Amino acid sequence: TQLLEQSPQFLSIQEGENLTVYCNSSSVFSSLQWYRQEPGEGPVLLVTVVTGGEVKKLKRLTFQFGDARKDSSLHITAAQPGDTGLYLCAGPNAGNMLTFGGGTRLMVKP
Amino acid sequence: KAGVTQTPRYLIKTRGQQVTLSCSPISGHRSVSWYQQTPGQGLQFLFEYFSETQRNKGNFPGRFSGRQFSNSRSEMNVSTLELGDSALYLCASSHLPLGAGTNEKLLFGSGTQLSVL
Repeated sequence: TQLLEQSPQFLSIQEGENLTVYCNSSSVFSSLQWYRQEPGEGPVLLVTVVTGGEVKKLKRLTFQFGDARKDSSLHITAAQPGDTGLYLCAGPNAGNMLTFGGGTRLMVKP
Repeated sequence: KAGVTQTPRYLIKTRGQQVTLSCSPISGHRSVSWYQQTPGQGLQFLFEYFSETQRNKGNFPGRFSGRQFSNSRSEMNVSTLELGDSALYLCASSHLPLGAGTNEKLLFGSGTQLSVL
């Protein structure tokens, strides 16, 4: 079973701080996706990383895929209250079913 | 372009009843996948339909079933509801089946919040 573990589970920071969220597995994934979900809504895809070592940037968000394609990280620079939400990583398992990590719930206080 | 539409938005049922949830995908998308989200278990894959055929099913009991129609709209049914079935049920649509393309964008609906009393 391919599992994805996210850390930390909860993060509460002040506006302007930097943070990093991790997504780890003991299994190799062909790709990993990062989503953000706000209360009462479905997850929204932020990025897909495919190549080991790949780095993608989305404004203040930087996503990295580990060289061995077993882990990924999301770094947010100068966090803003609008970044508040549940961040989820997900990847296709051997059966082409999407496996999700447990999520990191981020709160950015003004 | 309309998004993924799920109905109803909220639902309250009692134990033993059955429920049917609906999902209308993005126009042109033929894959619809369903997920259960609970505070304890997180987001878990239920099943995926592509061109009216179930491709995969997650580790859920047979009380959970679904189908897809020729217009790609999908329904999921839960029979003999249990308290533990209370959850946010999400569906997502994509053009290709899950795993077929690494750059395929999965679009989620806002979900149906089911409460079982």
